[in-house]
Amino acid sequence: DAGVIQSPRHEVTEMGQEVTLRCKPISGHDYLFWYRQTMMRGLELLIYFNNNVPIDDSGMPEDRFSAKMPNASFSTLKIQPSEPRDSAVYFCASSSGGLSSYNEQFFGPGTRLTVL
Amino acid sequence: GQSLEQPSEVTAVEGAIVQINCTYQTSGFYGLSWYQQHDGGAPTFLSYNALDGLEETGRFSSFLSRSDSYGYLLLQELQMKDSASYFCAVKMRSNYQLIWGAGTKLIIKP
Repeated sequence: DAGVIQSPRHEVTEMGQEVTLRCKPISGHDYLFWYRQTMMRGLELLIYFNNNVPIDDSGMPEDRFSAKMPNASFSTLKIQPSEPRDSAVYFCASSSGGLSSYNEQFFGPGTRLTVL
Repeated sequence: GQSLEQPSEVTAVEGAIVQINCTYQTSGFYGLSWYQQHDGGAPTFLSYNALDGLEETGRFSSFLSRSDSYGYLLLQELQMKDSASYFCAVKMRSNYQLIWGAGTKLIIKP
């Protein structure tokens, strides 16, 4: 398996622009997670899905952020409008297993976002 | 509130043993997991303790004590390639929320 795939790997944009990050989870995994990592705040869970349904979105910072999972093999994280403080590495991860247990997460390589 | 506390940084010597602690202010979770992240890389899964006690995987071991509200990751025969950040994490039973520690940067000196 190719592992979790994220695109783009690097994104540089200007403040106010819309940014869309994409993720393809490992085939057969029914959980998908979006994380943000910065030096100041560390690794933050933004949202996660189970069978394409959002389970916990308490980490989504504000209304400018939205995440969708239209099918089992694709998810997007959108920031509109983007701001310089959104600059971070965004990771997507996937896992399999039951909701009532902990499951190993497999992380993608991340998208490094820079908002000027 | 619910939180996991880890030291921000630990320094050790190559070939030595180091323990990274994770203490928590929460209860009702499925177990304690550990991840490793090298600079510029993505976190990778290291170990998981569903029950109290010690889990061993090669040079790495992880321990959980629910009664003492803490766990640790033990790295033996340290190698320079072990220089990385290490994160502990739990999944809450009540709402399936994932809680992550802030991570511990392990610095290894020759």
